[in-house]
Amino acid sequence: RKEVEQDPGPFNVPEGATVAFNCTYSNSASQSFFWYRQDCRKEPKLLMSVYSSGNEDGRFTAQLNRASQYISLLIRDSKLSDSATYLCVVNGRAAGNKLTFGGGTRVLVKP
Amino acid sequence: EAGVTQSPTHLIKTRGQQATLRCSPISGHTSVYWYQQALGLGLQFLLWYDEGEERNRGNFPPRFSGRQFPNYSSELNVNALELEDSALYLCASSLDRAISGANVLTFGAGSRLTVL
Repeated sequence: RKEVEQDPGPFNVPEGATVAFNCTYSNSASQSFFWYRQDCRKEPKLLMSVYSSGNEDGRFTAQLNRASQYISLLIRDSKLSDSATYLCVVNGRAAGNKLTFGGGTRVLVKP
Repeated sequence: EAGVTQSPTHLIKTRGQQATLRCSPISGHTSVYWYQQALGLGLQFLLWYDEGEERNRGNFPPRFSGRQFPNYSSELNVNALELEDSALYLCASSLDRAISGANVLTFGAGSRLTVL
């Protein structure tokens, strides 16, 4: 089983719709969680950190479910510019500070 | 403030040659991470350097090596290049080594290595 798994997609989303997807992780000792965004042929950029209580940043909402070992990202009112690959990142101190990336979920927002 | 810079942007080598990639972290960042992203694949962790020392390495053969200099810049060396080493090599830096485990990475634009 991969350490961090994501549905590769693509998720085809009509503009203005809501899309949500999850990321599962295998190491129960994982302590930090992030979502990064990667545009085609560009470097990943931090979208948001994921806190235990869940957090929201504009149209983006991230949740953490420790019991089931997954994090989620929800995008409301999707814009064409939201088209990208969303990478889930997990860090566990037991893993020697190695941040492990999921394979990414591709989202395509269409007019 | 300058971001993470990587050089060269593109590099073409042939099988068996050696490649050297360079990374300058954001000023004040002491940790440097290297990742490999092959076409269509996710980011694979290669190496983590902090304060001049290798702290962790991913599941790659020993021909992938590197170092971190006193100014915190870093170099990734790939010896005896193979065709499957063709990939985008991303360097990232972070400020906090692991006090809280909450490392936020800032990536450079990457070096695209093509092995012919």
